Amino acid sequence: DAGVTQSPTHLIKTRGQQVTLRCSPKSGHDTVSWYQQALGQGPQFIFQYYEEEERQRGNFPDRFSGHQFPNYSSELNVNALLLGDSALYLCASSQWDRQVYQPQHFGDGTRLSIL
Amino acid sequence: KQEVTQIPAALSVPEGENLVLNCSFTDSAIYNLQWFRQDPGKGLTSLLLIQSSQREQTSGRLNASLDKSSGRSTLYIAASQPGDSATYLCAVRPYNQGGKLIFGQGTELSVKP
Repeated sequence: DAGVTQSPTHLIKTRGQQVTLRCSPKSGHDTVSWYQQALGQGPQFIFQYYEEEERQRGNFPDRFSGHQFPNYSSELNVNALLLGDSALYLCASSQWDRQVYQPQHFGDGTRLSIL
Repeated sequence: KQEVTQIPAALSVPEGENLVLNCSFTDSAIYNLQWFRQDPGKGLTSLLLIQSSQREQTSGRLNASLDKSSGRSTLYIAASQPGDSATYLCAVRPYNQGGKLIFGQGTELSVKP
């Protein structure tokens, strides 16, 4: 049973570029959440998707956007990249109707480096 | 606004020692608290989940406690091993915020042989 999978594992971009990160949820999960983890910090919630809609959003600018597909996989898009966007981006999946009581499962993340 | 704090930021102990990691949170309106382990450059591995109605959870050499009224949780690791070296993060799931988790900054643990 595959867990949460993310791609790519590592990405290098320059300031001003755009990037797309991908996540496939654990089998049986229909909800995907994205987090940003800067070096030495705890993860910060970006947003959550369910039924192809953004359901909740953290304190991140509109440069951060997402999408969820009918197969529950998700993409995180970041436009006009800044040096401060360098971080580990983590995807987590859950079941929408049980998520508040179940453990959250995370992928291994995508390391994004901005030059 | 919910804030989660973990003290100490880093801890170094000799192999075999029992140790306690601390996590505090400012708002007791939570569904549960979850402890994670993170190896360098890797994702998060869930260790223990404590529901707000529970006092503690155990898994092998790990024991986590929760005192919701005082806003505190501890992770006890018995007979530490070098393989326990990692960063340990706690996270709370607040009421009325869906599945969002709010994390502490983590405690970096080093167990010396």
